[in-house]
Amino acid sequence: NAGVTQTPKFQVLKTGQSMTLQCAQDMNHNSMYWYRQDPGMGLRLIYYSASEGTTDKGEVPNGYNVSRLNKREFSLRLESAAPSQTSVYFCASSLDSLRSPLHFGNGTRLTVT
Amino acid sequence: AQTVTQSQPEMSVQEAETVTLSCTYDTSESDYYLFWYKQPPSRQMILVIRQEAYKQQNATENRFSVNFQKAAKSFSLKISDSQLGDAAMYFCAYRSAAPGGGADGLTFGKGTHLIIQP
Repeated sequence: NAGVTQTPKFQVLKTGQSMTLQCAQDMNHNSMYWYRQDPGMGLRLIYYSASEGTTDKGEVPNGYNVSRLNKREFSLRLESAAPSQTSVYFCASSLDSLRSPLHFGNGTRLTVT
Repeated sequence: AQTVTQSQPEMSVQEAETVTLSCTYDTSESDYYLFWYKQPPSRQMILVIRQEAYKQQNATENRFSVNFQKAAKSFSLKISDSQLGDAAMYFCAYRSAAPGGGADGLTFGKGTHLIIQP
């Protein structure tokens, strides 16, 4: 049972390059999320998808776009990476958008030089 | 908007002792859920325990228990018989239970780094 799978685990980009972080869950969850984690800041929500076909901005959406490809997959795209986007990115999913806990992937450490 | 505050950036405890991690939150809602997550050096986020606000009884999971004080908006985590494997970052998190309110997932505190002294 894989749970939430994120790829890649590590990535180094140069300023201005683009990339897509992939996330897939096999738990038949309806809601999916992208967070970033920075030292001393906890986890902050970038974008979320409460259900298939919907996406909404979170606390820190600038510089990112997302796609809910289907119920299983939710990708995060950086169109023009900036050093301020150096962070650890977590994808998560939950059964519903109300009371369920979030299940997390193992994170992607992204460095932008 | 809700906020979650963890006032202890770092805590240290001797192995086999008991430690309590603090968490306070600010909300105008009456129905919500609270969670503690553990993040070991492996970076994985692991759910430790959760509490429904409408339940007065404090949640317990083996050596982990909470002290939920709704009026004080306090949600502390107690770890009994601390083990070396408990060393990790611990995050307190809030989720609204209002209709449509929980759609944006969890609001996290900034975390407490727990060190276990052998």
